[in-house]
Formats: sequence, C-alpha cells, structure tokens
Amino acid sequence: EAGVAQSPRYKIIEKRQSVAFWCNPISGHATLYWYQQILGQGPKLLIQFQNNGVVDDSQLPKDRFSAERLKGVDSTLKIQPAKLEDSAVYLCASSLRGVGTEAFFGQGTRLTVV
Amino acid sequence: AQKVTQAQTEISVVEKEDVTLDCVYETRDTTYYLFWYKQPPSGELVFLIRRNSFDEQNEISGRYSWNFQKSTSSFNFTITASQVVDSAVYFCALSDPGGANNLFFGTGTRLTVIP
Repeated sequence: EAGVAQSPRYKIIEKRQSVAFWCNPISGHATLYWYQQILGQGPKLLIQFQNNGVVDDSQLPKDRFSAERLKGVDSTLKIQPAKLEDSAVYLCASSLRGVGTEAFFGQGTRLTVV
Repeated sequence: AQKVTQAQTEISVVEKEDVTLDCVYETRDTTYYLFWYKQPPSGELVFLIRRNSFDEQNEISGRYSWNFQKSTSSFNFTITASQVVDSAVYFCALSDPGGANNLFFGTGTRLTVIP
C-alpha cells in the first residue's frame, strides 16, 4: 500500500514570496491533516479535512495560509506571503476514519524562508 | 484543554540498555486516545501504538512496551535491549474525539543509542 506522498521535499524561498505544497493521501482515507513542525517542537495542526470539507482550521493563520482539498483526495497548502517564522517542516497525514484512528504521515516538506 | 508533556528532551543510552520515555497528559475528556510516534532522521512520523482511555492494559510488542496509568495521567514507553536503529525522536500524542480528532503532540524526546 502506498503511503502519503508529499512534494516538494525541500523548498527555499525569500520572505514575501509565495509557496505551495502538495499532498496525496493514502487511497480511501477520508481524513487529511496538515501539520506544521518547527525545529525542536512537536507537530502542530494547521487544518483538518474530512473528505473535501474543513473540520478544523482554528490554528491556520488565514491571513497568509490557505488550503484546499478538491474532490476529497489531493490537497494543497499555500503560504502567501511567507515570513521568516514560517520556516518549518510541513507534514501531511491521512487517516481512514475520524475518531481514534491512527494517522499516517508523509515525509514532509522542509521550508526555509530567507 | 489538551496538553502532552514529555519532560525528557534528550536521552542517551548504550546499546542493549533499557530505556523509558515518559509522557504525561492532561485532558478533560473521559474518552480519549493516546499515541506514540517515532520520527527517524528521514522525517516521517511512524505510528507505534494507539491506546484508548478505557483500556489500561499494558501492551508489549517485541522490544517495545507501554505502561498506561490513568491515575497518574501517564503513558510511558519502554524499549528493552535498545539498538542503534532505535535512535530517533519519539512523540507522545493525545487525540480529542470530543473535538475534531486532532492529535496534540508533546515536544518529543530525542533518543540516541550509542553502539
């Protein structure tokens, strides 16, 4: 079974530029998550989708971050404009159902904003 | 509010030693789930175990074992006879089914196993 795919693996941009990350979850997984992991910290949820609807985006800085999951499969996360503090690893995860099920993570995209 | 505390930032052990990683959690929910994930240098978080709040039985899987104690709000993880391949960052996480089933992660414990 293929795992969660993310691209790109690495990205370096200048502050105020825009960037987009892509995620393809495990086939059949209805729930998709985007997490931000700052160096030395645990992952923090940015947004959660159930199929193509948003379940929780309370931690998403909506003035600069946006995410969509068209057709309930692939998802993109965008940052515009980027700030230095956005430097982090962006992890995508998916789970089969909602409550209590384990999430499977991709390898993440390491973003460096200079 | 949910909170997960992993007080040990870094641990180093010599190969074949046993090591216990501590996890203390806070939640007001009576139903919740606890998880452990391993993050090797490659960066991908690897699921290790899930435990629901009604099941306090300890679990053993090979060299790994988990001790869940509701009375102390702890969910500790022990690796027996550690190996170099166990070197990674380990995260404890709490899931809030009363909300949106988000995972709240601790800050992680970096384990280094010295050959």
